[in-house]
Amino acid sequence: NAGVTQTPKFRILKIGQSMTLQCTQDMNHNYMYWYRQDPGMGLKLIYYSVGAGITDKGEVPNGYNVSRSTTEDFPLRLELAAPSQTSVYFCASSNGQGRSYEQYFGPGTRLTVT
Amino acid sequence: AQSVAQPEDQVNVAEGNPLTVKCTYSVSGNPYLFWYVQYPNRGLQFLLKYITGDNLVKGSYGFEAEFNKSQTSFHLKKPSALVSDSALYFCAVSSGSARQLTFGSGTQLTVLP
Repeated sequence: NAGVTQTPKFRILKIGQSMTLQCTQDMNHNYMYWYRQDPGMGLKLIYYSVGAGITDKGEVPNGYNVSRSTTEDFPLRLELAAPSQTSVYFCASSNGQGRSYEQYFGPGTRLTVT
Repeated sequence: AQSVAQPEDQVNVAEGNPLTVKCTYSVSGNPYLFWYVQYPNRGLQFLLKYITGDNLVKGSYGFEAEFNKSQTSFHLKKPSALVSDSALYFCAVSSGSARQLTFGSGTQLTVLP
């Protein structure tokens, strides 16, 4: 199993550009999440989804959008990139059933906005 | 709102010695607690969790964690540290309809040979 995959691994954007970070999981998990990791700050939740067609905001959603048209995919859209969005972005998924609370993380996308 | 504190940014320990990485939490209701490890330029890997039951939880790679409700703590431990345990460790608490994680700021563990 590939688990959670993310593309691209690295990206440099100019201020004002837009891009989509891709995330795919092959574990048939209902729940998916996007986090950003800033140095010394831990991970902050951007958006999450409990199933296809259902998304909701996390702690730091401003400047981002998501969609969930299938169980497998959960892309994150950055509109009008700003230097404050320079970060490492992680996608994660979890079963959401019973006591399977643990989340499985992708390898991350390192984004620099200049 | 829930929160997690990891009071030590850095922990250094000699190889073969026991290690402890500290975590305290604040939640309403029953806490669902986790430890994750992150190696350089990698995603987070699940180590162990406390949902209910025994206060001592065993996880991957010989790690264990002790849940202490009265002290609201969930410290990560290992009896004998390895150089390969050197990594960034995150404590987290789960809450909400989608079991979202709230993370601590992380503790960099360095095991010295």
